[in-house]
Amino acid sequence: ELKVEQNPLFLSMQEGKNYTIYCNYSTTSDRLYWYRQDPGKSLESLFVLLSNGAVKQEGRLMASLDTKARLSTLHITAAVHDLSATYFCAVDMGHKLVFGAGTILRVKS
Amino acid sequence: DTEVTQTPKHLVMGMTNKKSLKCEQHMGHRAMYWYKQKAKKPPELMFVYSYEKLSINESVPSRFSPECPNSSLLNLHLHALQPEDSALYLCASSFTGLNTGELFFGEGSRLTVL
Repeated sequence: ELKVEQNPLFLSMQEGKNYTIYCNYSTTSDRLYWYRQDPGKSLESLFVLLSNGAVKQEGRLMASLDTKARLSTLHITAAVHDLSATYFCAVDMGHKLVFGAGTILRVKS
Repeated sequence: DTEVTQTPKHLVMGMTNKKSLKCEQHMGHRAMYWYKQKAKKPPELMFVYSYEKLSINESVPSRFSPECPNSSLLNLHLHALQPEDSALYLCASSFTGLNTGELFFGEGSRLTVL
């Protein structure tokens, strides 16, 4: 059964600092997605990574996928308070997505 | 139109009530999903409809009954729920029913069972 592990599960960051969230998964998949969720809200799609070596960037967030290592990263550059949210990676198994536990990100000024 | 619309946004029901959650999308997506999300947990898949046919039931108790009247609509009928069923219920859709693809989520229906 596919396991998707995110770390860290909680991240408290200072504004202006950089950090990386890691998403490891246990079986082969070429497709991975990152979602953001604000408290009490739905999930917003951030990135769609569809092949080995895929890299996508949007503002202060950059996501990458290494299918050989079964690893995706979400890098945050110069964090700002607006980035505070929960971030989920989700691995596409073909017939369903399996979500990681989520990383709660808090950016402190 | 890139939205998945869910109603109601909030629902409080007793354990003997019957209620329904509704979901609608007009993006031409052929797969629709119900997820359940408890506080501080990831979404858990409940059901998948692909081309209006139920393709996945993740061993969900029969007190939850999904229905897909057409390719744009998805319902979740609720009956004799338990307090532990209180959660955020998320509907999602994706372009094709053949592979999952990127999911587009609705705002969710927050259910409280008394």
